[in-house]
Amino acid sequence: QVQLQESGPGLVKPSGTLSLTCTVSGGSISSNNWWSWVRQPPGKGLEWIGDIYHSGSANYNPSLKSRVTMSVDKSKNQLSLNLNSVNAADTAVYYCARVVGAFDIWGQGTMVTVSS
Amino acid sequence: DIQMTQSPSTLSASVGDRVTITCRASQSISSWLAWYQQKPGKAPKLLIYKASNLQSGVPSRFSGSGSGTEFTLTISSLQPDDFATYYCQQYNSYFGPGTKVDIK
Repeated sequence: QVQLQESGPGLVKPSGTLSLTCTVSGGSISSNNWWSWVRQPPGKGLEWIGDIYHSGSANYNPSLKSRVTMSVDKSKNQLSLNLNSVNAADTAVYYCARVVGAFDIWGQGTMVTVSS
Repeated sequence: DIQMTQSPSTLSASVGDRVTITCRASQSISSWLAWYQQKPGKAPKLLIYKASNLQSGVPSRFSGSGSGTEFTLTISSLQPDDFATYYCQQYNSYFGPGTKVDIK
């Protein structure tokens, strides 16, 4: 079955760029699905960051749109998230998820802390 | 943008209780709504899709209803494993703020 695994640095400096990868296993990233990123600050709720199709077409949360870029690497079966100009408010667990309208498969999440 | 709200924010209940959580959208989203359960330190788990459809493997004590702007998630008989936080989500988009179900 399809599984997702997030990876990337656990610590990013303020004003720097947060870069994460989500590896899809057990299925193809080129299947007829969108793929999404969601984050959750410590003790808070879920925030949709955006989603991307294997063609590269993407939709972003307007509140983050100016700082977010998502991409797909079909050769590696991976999707990527870049968030620039980070600050402490970007400290969160970051999840990737498969989109079938609802988000039916999630990665385990990766904690990213923004701190000097 | 469509805003999602949930009530209550916290709910205290006992094992065996019938529990209902409400989610409201600021404008109609037809039946394009999902419900998730999240436990501490874990990823959310899909419970209900398209407002009223039970995800495979989810116990039948969970049910969803509603359309348009008002939706409900009902747990018919609360079990110990159900103490968690529940989120609604407009399809492929924004989440509600969550409802924490804890032990009375």
